[in-house]
Parts: sequence; C-alpha cells; structure tokens
Amino acid sequence: SAVISQKPSRDICQRGTSLTIQCQVDSQVTMMFWYRQQPGQSLTLIATANQGSEATYESGFVIDKFPISRPNLTFSTLTVSNMSPEDSSIYLCSVGGWGDYGYTFGSGTRLTVV
Amino acid sequence: GNSVTQMEGPVTLSEEAFLTINCTYTATGYPSLFWYVQYPGEGLQLLLKATKADDKGSNKGFEATYRKETTSFHLEKGSVQVSDSAVYFCALSFQGGSEKLVFGKGTKLTVNP
Repeated sequence: SAVISQKPSRDICQRGTSLTIQCQVDSQVTMMFWYRQQPGQSLTLIATANQGSEATYESGFVIDKFPISRPNLTFSTLTVSNMSPEDSSIYLCSVGGWGDYGYTFGSGTRLTVV
Repeated sequence: GNSVTQMEGPVTLSEEAFLTINCTYTATGYPSLFWYVQYPGEGLQLLLKATKADDKGSNKGFEATYRKETTSFHLEKGSVQVSDSAVYFCALSFQGGSEKLVFGKGTKLTVNP
C-alpha cells in the first residue's frame, strides 16, 4: 500500500494567520483527499484533488478558505487560511484504495488556533 | 445520499470481554465497506474491509461480515485487550478508490485490565 508523509504533525497558530499542510506519497496516485476531524468528531471530506485540475470541494468548504495545490502525482498541499479557533482540528490527507489495501491516510496534522 | 450509522459510544469493557460495534449503511448500489481504527494521538489505520455481499473481513482478531440483506457490517472481537482501546470508524465507498470515504461518527472503545 502507499505510504504518506504528512507535515507538520502539529502546530499552534495565531488567529488570522495561515498554515500550509503538505502530503507526500511514495507512489503516483491520481486522486488525493483532504479530510477534517473536529475534536471528538468523525471525519468530513474537505475536497478531492486531482493532478492537473482544480480541486473539487464539498458543501460547506470553499477554495478561498482551503486552497489546495496538486502540482504532481505524488504531492499535495492544503492551506487553512485566515484561521479562527473554530479551525482547530486534525487535518488528514488520504489516497484512494485499490486491491486489498483500502484507503491510506497520512498521520494527520493537529492544528490549534489561539 | 450515502450514509453510515454507527453504534454510539463510548464503550467500556473489561479485558477478554466480547466486543460488538454495530454499523449499518444506506447507499444506492453496493459499496465497499471498511473499519478503520484510530489509536490515541495517531492517524487512521485500515482494520479490515469487505467489497461484496457475504464477504468477511478479518484482522488482528477482529471480524466483520458484509450483510446485504440487513445493510450491516458489524465489528466483532471475541476477546479484547487493553491495547484495543481506540476509536473505531465504519465507512463506505464506491468505485475502488476513486470516490471519497463516507464515515460513521466513530465509537470510542476503552478496555480496562
């Protein structure tokens, strides 16, 4: 199965600033997914990122707040812009599953906005 | 739309007790079904999966059977250990990885010695 390196693992940020989260995959993948996990909650999909096209955002998420880049088939970034305390969550990237491996997740970025 | 309904937690058990976490789904068509586990402070790990009706997924003593007639995928383990303490998520998806995962709300399991 794919191995994902996600950075940073955690950060504490001031409100009004932005944070960029990076995910590097050890193999080429067509689609990458970005999820948010609010404290004590389940995972909610933010957007799906295909290489070479604009990301597709889920209802309630907008590009101005969560811009995504997908410059090649092994890398993607998610930026959390103009942060507020409500953005404090764990953010995870994922790549699609195939065969017996299911979907693979990065280790997550634990963001606290103060 | 597609959705997953998962047994509310938290669940607290003694070591060696039997575990069941219920999961049912609503979907158009026949999705693949998954159980993911999140240990404290860590990301998600695939625990087991099933891709068609009557398939049984198993791993680390955990099992779940894809029941089309009851649209269920209940997680079971015969004898839990303290190290099984974690949050368990039931999820579904379509099209072998090109579609998003839809998650249940998660069930927190605590196993006491």
